[in-house]
Parts: sequence; structure tokens; C-alpha cells
Amino acid sequence: TQLLEQSPQFLSIQEGENLTVYCNSSSVFSSLQWYRQEPGEGPVLLVTVVTGGEVKKLKRLTFQFGDARKDSSLHITAAQPGDTGLYLCAGAIDNYGQNFVFGPGTRLSVLP
Amino acid sequence: NAGVMQNPRHLVRRRGQEARLRCSPMKGHSHVYWYRQLPEEGLKFMVYLQKENIIDESGMPKERFSAEFPKEGPSILRIQQVVRGDSAAYFCASSPRPSTDTQYFGPGTRLTVL
Repeated sequence: TQLLEQSPQFLSIQEGENLTVYCNSSSVFSSLQWYRQEPGEGPVLLVTVVTGGEVKKLKRLTFQFGDARKDSSLHITAAQPGDTGLYLCAGAIDNYGQNFVFGPGTRLSVLP
Repeated sequence: NAGVMQNPRHLVRRRGQEARLRCSPMKGHSHVYWYRQLPEEGLKFMVYLQKENIIDESGMPKERFSAEFPKEGPSILRIQQVVRGDSAAYFCASSPRPSTDTQYFGPGTRLTVL
């Protein structure tokens, strides 16, 4: 049983389209992180959200943490081929953040 | 400032051999985390170490797996008597403190057990 679920599992879109991917759990997290991982590489941290209801923007990426701190979404505006990759969310399961739980990821493919 | 270094990047072992994976954290980072990733899956936490101490090994198999982070030198993840099911990508991350917002990942070691 996954502590963190991500949807959709796979997403293939055309360049210029908008998309949203989701990260859901029945557990409350003290913080949640989003990473992007490219083939053959380690995950690269995109953002950390800490406060329920928090919204963070990183250029064309908008991240939202749910009010109850159980879920999060990542919205990409005008997707580009460079956005292609595996998007992982990870939740800190204790207040010290020593132990992160990762979701299975959403594999995004942006076609030119 | 060099990032997290892992070596080797690729490791091939036959069943029953030992695998040693090394991780050098970012300069100034004293907290190291090891994760395992199977194909098409997310990362599974294995162990969290500080210098000379194992803080949390709740994700590590009880047998054949061990980890250390000595006072000097890299952190080592050791897998004894490897089996085919150990084939995976192993990632190391480091942070300057047990923080919830600054884990930096290395490029990973891809272990293949023949």
C-alpha cells in the first residue's frame, strides 16, 4: 500500500498545453517536496511546501499544498519538451524530516 | 561547490558477490540518506546516517545490508551475497542538518545482479 499516491501515472501532452499532476495521502505531512528526475540521474528538488494552503510559483510551475497538508498539486503552464521527466512528490513523516516517503511518480512526456 | 558524488555509477555483480556503493555528501553536509529505486517506481527510504551514527535504518532489510558513515571518508552501503532482486538504482542524498527542505541527491549507482 502506497502512503503517497500520484496521478496520473503517465501523461503525454503536446507542447504548449497545460497540465496538473496530483499527490495524495491519508496521512498528514509536516512538509512536502516535489522533485523532477530525468533518466539516469538523481531527483532534483523543485520546491518544498510547509504550510497548509500554501501556493508557490516557480516560473511556469505552480505548486499547492492542501489545507489539511495531506495532498498537493503541481500545475505546469504552456508545457515545453524540457519539462519531460518523472515528477516525484515526497512527504516528511515526522517533524524532524529525517524520513521522507516518496510517491511512485508521474511520468510526463511533452511532445514538440 | 561539488554536488553529492556517488560511485561507481554502474556496478555489475554475480549472485553471491558483495556490492559496495559509495557516497560523498556535499561539502559541509553531515547527514546522509540512502534510497532504493526500482524501475518505474518511486524512491524507497533505506537508512539515515550522521557521522559515525545510524539514526534510522527502518527501511533497510535486516539481512545482508549494512551502511556506515565514518568520521573520515564517504558513506558506504554494503550488500552482501547479492541476489537478483537487489538489482536497482541506489541513490544517496545529503543535507546540512535534519531539515525538511534541503535533501540533495547524487546521480545514483545502478546495480545489476546477474
